[in-house]
Amino acid sequence: EAGVAQSPRYKIIEKRQSVAFWCNPISGHATLYWYQQILGQGPKLLIQFQNNGVVDDSQLPKDRFSAERLKGVDSTLKIQPAKLEDSAVYLCASSFPGAYEQYFGPGTRLTVT
Amino acid sequence: AQSVTQLGSHVSVSEGALVLLRCNYSSSVPPYLFWYVQYPNQGLQLLLKYTSAATLVKGINGFEAEFKKSETSFHLTKPSAHMSDAAEYFCAAFTGGGNKLTFGTGTQLKVEL
Repeated sequence: EAGVAQSPRYKIIEKRQSVAFWCNPISGHATLYWYQQILGQGPKLLIQFQNNGVVDDSQLPKDRFSAERLKGVDSTLKIQPAKLEDSAVYLCASSFPGAYEQYFGPGTRLTVT
Repeated sequence: AQSVTQLGSHVSVSEGALVLLRCNYSSSVPPYLFWYVQYPNQGLQLLLKYTSAATLVKGINGFEAEFKKSETSFHLTKPSAHMSDAAEYFCAAFTGGGNKLTFGTGTQLKVEL
């Protein structure tokens, strides 16, 4: 069974530039999550999708972050414009609806200079 | 709100020694609890989970954890550490009401010869 796929694995950009991350969840997983993991901290949920609808985006900085999951499968997270404090690993996870167990992708390490 | 506390950001043990990583949660309602492991430049992998069945939970790679409601704890143990256990470990709690997985800040485990 293929796991959660993410790309790119690494990205370096300058502040005020834009960047996008892509995630393809495990087949059949209707629920998709984006987490931000800052160095030395645990992952923090940014947004949760159920199919193509947003369930929770209360911790998403909506002035600069956006995410979509148009067809209810893969998803894109965008940051525009990036700030230095956005340097982090962005993790995507997926699960069956209502399931407690989440499966994580390898993450995208973003460095903003 | 649910919170998860991991005591000790860094733990060092000798190969063959007992591993004990501590986790406490705060909740009036016992949540579902998880331990994840993260190897360098990889995503999170589920080690084990507690979902209100047996209080002693066995996971992969010889790890186990015991849920103690009276102590609001879910400590992770392994009788004999191996060099390959060196990684970062995260405790997480999921409460249905909050519909969110809350992570601790992580414990970096170092295994020395």
